[in-house]
Amino acid sequence: DGGITQSPKYLFRKEGQNVTLSCEQNLNHDAMYWYRQDPGQGLRLIYYSQIVNDFQKGDIAEGYSVSREKKESFPLTVTSAQKNPTAFYLCASTRLSGANVLTFGAGSRLTVL
Amino acid sequence: AQSVTQPDIHITVSEGASLELRCNYSYGATPYLFWYVQSPGQGLQLLLKYFSGDTLVQGIKGFEAEFKRSQSSFNLRKPSVHWSDAAEYFCAVGTNTGNQFYFGTGTSLTVIP
Repeated sequence: DGGITQSPKYLFRKEGQNVTLSCEQNLNHDAMYWYRQDPGQGLRLIYYSQIVNDFQKGDIAEGYSVSREKKESFPLTVTSAQKNPTAFYLCASTRLSGANVLTFGAGSRLTVL
Repeated sequence: AQSVTQPDIHITVSEGASLELRCNYSYGATPYLFWYVQSPGQGLQLLLKYFSGDTLVQGIKGFEAEFKRSQSSFNLRKPSVHWSDAAEYFCAVGTNTGNQFYFGTGTSLTVIP
């Protein structure tokens, strides 16, 4: 079955370390997104990409970086510059043509110790 | 600017009772509208969507929603709630250009026996 795979499910990091969250999709979707979820704040867009080798900042991009070297993959790096990285991170994807629906992965929970 | 408001942070209903979750949006054009459900520690699952046509849309798990353009609303309803419906519910707006999605802050549903 097609879908989005996020890994790892749980990740612990010491302060000052960079970590990378993986997001892979086999839906042949063009656009991919990273959201951050905090209690009571809904989903906030970090980065999105509509085509390979191109991506745009979302509302809260500071302290994060991404790459899009392959259509199927959109990894997110949480850098040491992110002041409060403990959160639940969700990857999503959609087609670009027509009226589209976001499909989500199961999420990754990052905890900074 | 586009925005989505879910005025109820938390709702408690008895099992078997009816449910209505409110959603209001701000968007300059005809929006694409969505309701998603999220169980703890999981990704978001699409309940239903509105793109055009009939303003009353049916979704999975017995949910329905009605688009009211005059009120900029897209409220989610279910005639009889089951204990398994306890979850977080998110309303979202999708733009018809640019593939952008905007989420409300969510409504947490508790179902009591």
